[in-house]
Amino acid sequence: SQQGEEDPQALSIQEGENATMNCSYKTSINNLQWYRQNSGRGLVHLILIRSNEREKHSGRLRVTLDTSKKSSSLLITASRAADTASYFCATDAEGNTPLVFGKGTRLSVIA
Amino acid sequence: DVKVTQSSRYLVKRTGEKVFLECVQDMDHENMFWYRQDPGLGLRLIYFSYDVKMKEKGDIPEGYSVSREKKERFSLILESASTNQTSMYLCASRLGEGSTDTQYFGPGTRLTVL
Repeated sequence: SQQGEEDPQALSIQEGENATMNCSYKTSINNLQWYRQNSGRGLVHLILIRSNEREKHSGRLRVTLDTSKKSSSLLITASRAADTASYFCATDAEGNTPLVFGKGTRLSVIA
Repeated sequence: DVKVTQSSRYLVKRTGEKVFLECVQDMDHENMFWYRQDPGLGLRLIYFSYDVKMKEKGDIPEGYSVSREKKERFSLILESASTNQTSMYLCASRLGEGSTDTQYFGPGTRLTVL
């Protein structure tokens, strides 16, 4: 069952602009993770935010989590052409349960 | 670095063939997963395993089976391939001690069933 739902489905921006992607989920979570997938490749972990955290930074990435609204956002600042990829949120409930992935946002950064 | 490898990047099979997709991880992870990815549907969990010889059904197990005889290897089996199993198959592994662990993915196998 898919829990996370990313929005928008596709996003196209100019190099140097900021890109914001959103994720909504349905049930209580233990943590939320964001992954990136380059075309035709496997997924790579970007950042994890726990349910008791509200914001987290990693380089040009900023993730927020609002558990009351069951939503998260991923901000990529000063985007580069190399950021072109699909981005997925994944949620994880308590215990040793599999991650549940959303359908992803396709980001295109135009040089 | 954790490495998850999959036996083939591209595979073409005929309807009715038995297909084996192999996945190997080198970090002694307990958990391993098989997903399929289709346009517009995202990643869907087929099967997963928390330990050797143990398997659990995911969201779409029909038409698939798995085998985990050794900790580092998790195989996905299509007993009789059908055209609707044409997809990208992604294997992942995770340490398994807690839900905050990252899942590490292989590069994927793009399977075409003719």
